[in-house]
Amino acid sequence: TQLLEQSPQFLSIQEGENLTVYCNSSSVFSSLQWYRQEPGEGPVLLVTVVTGGEVKKLKRLTFQFGDARKDSSLHITAAQTGDTGLYLCAGASGSTLGRLYFGRGTQLTVWP
Amino acid sequence: DADVTQTPRNRITKTGKRIMLECSQTKGHDRMYWYRQDPGLGLRLIYYSFDVKDINKGEISDGYSVSRQAQAKFSLSLESAIPNQTALYFCATSVGSSYNEQFFGPGTRLTVL
Repeated sequence: TQLLEQSPQFLSIQEGENLTVYCNSSSVFSSLQWYRQEPGEGPVLLVTVVTGGEVKKLKRLTFQFGDARKDSSLHITAAQTGDTGLYLCAGASGSTLGRLYFGRGTQLTVWP
Repeated sequence: DADVTQTPRNRITKTGKRIMLECSQTKGHDRMYWYRQDPGLGLRLIYYSFDVKDINKGEISDGYSVSRQAQAKFSLSLESAIPNQTALYFCATSVGSSYNEQFFGPGTRLTVL
């Protein structure tokens, strides 16, 4: 059973377009994280959101945590080729301390 | 210098062989994790450790074992490798906050023939 469902699984767009990636669950999480992974490397933490309704911005990336803390979204404005990678969401639950539950990821390809 | 290192980076082995993957960290974190990554399946937790005397099974521990030799070292062993253990393996560390933010090594690509 996958606790976190990410959509879409694949996304291929032109440079300059906007996009949104979704991370949904029926479970409540105490915090949710987004990671980006490039080929041949391990995932790298982008952001952690902890409060329902929270919005965080990281340059052209906007992260939102749902009011009920069950879902999150990542919006990229004016995508660049350097945004290409696998985007993973991961949730921390207060009932299972020390563990993260990962979604299966969204593979983003940005073409020049 | 990398904070989390994994050796080897690539390994090809045969069915039935014993394999050990090693992870070292200089971040001073207490918590360490082993994941495997398969295309389309995301990251799945194999084992995790909160300190040297604490080892916990993850969701896919069958066929694997671990050893926490020191705070900075966490090894993963495949006692008798089989082809469906072919995957990318990642070690990660965490400082132990409630957010459990994790820092990953570069990964080991393991192929079992």
